[in-house]
Amino acid sequence: SQTIHQWPATLVQPVGSPLSLECTVEGTSNPNLYWYRQAAGRGLQLLFYSVGIGQISSEVPQNLSASRPQDRQFILSSKKLLLSDSGFYLCAWTQRARSSSPLHFGNGTRLTVT
Amino acid sequence: RKEVEQDPGPFNVPEGATVAFNCTYSNSASQSFFWYRQDCRKEPKLLMSVYSSGNEDGRFTAQLNRASQYISLLIRDSKLSDSATYLCVVNAATAFWDNTGKLIFGQGTTLQVKP
Repeated sequence: SQTIHQWPATLVQPVGSPLSLECTVEGTSNPNLYWYRQAAGRGLQLLFYSVGIGQISSEVPQNLSASRPQDRQFILSSKKLLLSDSGFYLCAWTQRARSSSPLHFGNGTRLTVT
Repeated sequence: RKEVEQDPGPFNVPEGATVAFNCTYSNSASQSFFWYRQDCRKEPKLLMSVYSSGNEDGRFTAQLNRASQYISLLIRDSKLSDSATYLCVVNAATAFWDNTGKLIFGQGTTLQVKP
């Protein structure tokens, strides 16, 4: 069966520090991968998605970036965090061949920028 | 207009009650629809897909009205464990060849089931 791992679960970082969140998927190949963010009391906002290695699409302008160095690995980064980057970050995957499939989420990373 | 709109609630209902949530979406080209459940401080989890003919899963019934672009979720015989936020989700595809699989989430409707 397929599983998705996301770490760390919780992170507290000072303003201006770098960020790296990692997500890996097991039990499938060629998945579509996504990064969403949920600010406190808000809905989920799609940040980035990827349909293949090295292919990254950004949905909103911001100081975050994403990379996909391997088929089942998705990384979210920032060179300098802002207070507004605080939130609940969720990695998700779906089968590429079935674009109408639901997304499956990792456990999420709760980021607090101080 | 938001792409997916839901009444945020909260809906406070007693155990055993029947409760219905509605959701409207703006993209008439959307082909996939889902309801997710999100518990406090947890990741969203798929509750059920929504099919054109309507579908049922135990106490949960989902309906889709393409003409009016709305989706509904009915929960019968509410349990305390049903307390959560329910997210209406629509795919963002604008063409049949769109393989990005992007999903747009509503802000969610909060349900609180009381004993």
